[in-house]
Amino acid sequence: NAGVTQTPKFQVLKTGQSMTLQCAQDMNHEYMSWYRQDPGMGLRLIHYSVGAGITDQGEVPNGYNVSRSTTEDFPLRLLSAAPSQTSVYFCATERRQGHEAFFGQGTRLTVV
Amino acid sequence: QKEVEQDPGPLSVPEGAIVSLNCTYSNSAFQYFMWYRQYSRKGPELLMYTYSSGNKEDGRFTAQVDKSSKYISLFIRDSQPSDSATYLCAMTVRGSQGGKLIFGQGTELSVKP
Repeated sequence: NAGVTQTPKFQVLKTGQSMTLQCAQDMNHEYMSWYRQDPGMGLRLIHYSVGAGITDQGEVPNGYNVSRSTTEDFPLRLLSAAPSQTSVYFCATERRQGHEAFFGQGTRLTVV
Repeated sequence: QKEVEQDPGPLSVPEGAIVSLNCTYSNSAFQYFMWYRQYSRKGPELLMYTYSSGNKEDGRFTAQVDKSSKYISLFIRDSQPSDSATYLCAMTVRGSQGGKLIFGQGTELSVKP
């Protein structure tokens, strides 16, 4: 079992470009979420999904879109990248919301 | 004011020392408390979780929750260089609909040989 797989591991974007960060899980967990981690800020929730077809905003959703068409996949889209979106992004799954979170290895994104 | 506050450190201790990591919180509804360990350039992994007030021990690690003071701690005994990592506290209200995990800022720990 791979657990939670994020791709790519590293990415450099120019301001204004768009891209999709991929997240796939083979744990059959209902709940998936995206966090960003910045120095001194901890993990901040961007968007989350309680099941296929259901998504909602977290603490810092602006500039990001998500969709959940299957249980396994939860992509995060940056619509028009800005330097403020330079961060490390983590995808996580939970058997149900509020239970133990399993994280991917992260995507390091730099926007220049 | 953040819902969960954690001293970011960095904290540097000699091998064998007892380490105390702490978080305070403001939401009295939090019921479930977790500690995650994150090695450099890796994703966080669950280390300990506790429900309500009291202590929980697992090997060299002890998690302590004091709901009356809204304060949680993680103690590491006989610390080892392999314990060098960032430690994040997290907490949630887990009702019938579940609840979002709220994380502290993380404390960077370095254990020197």
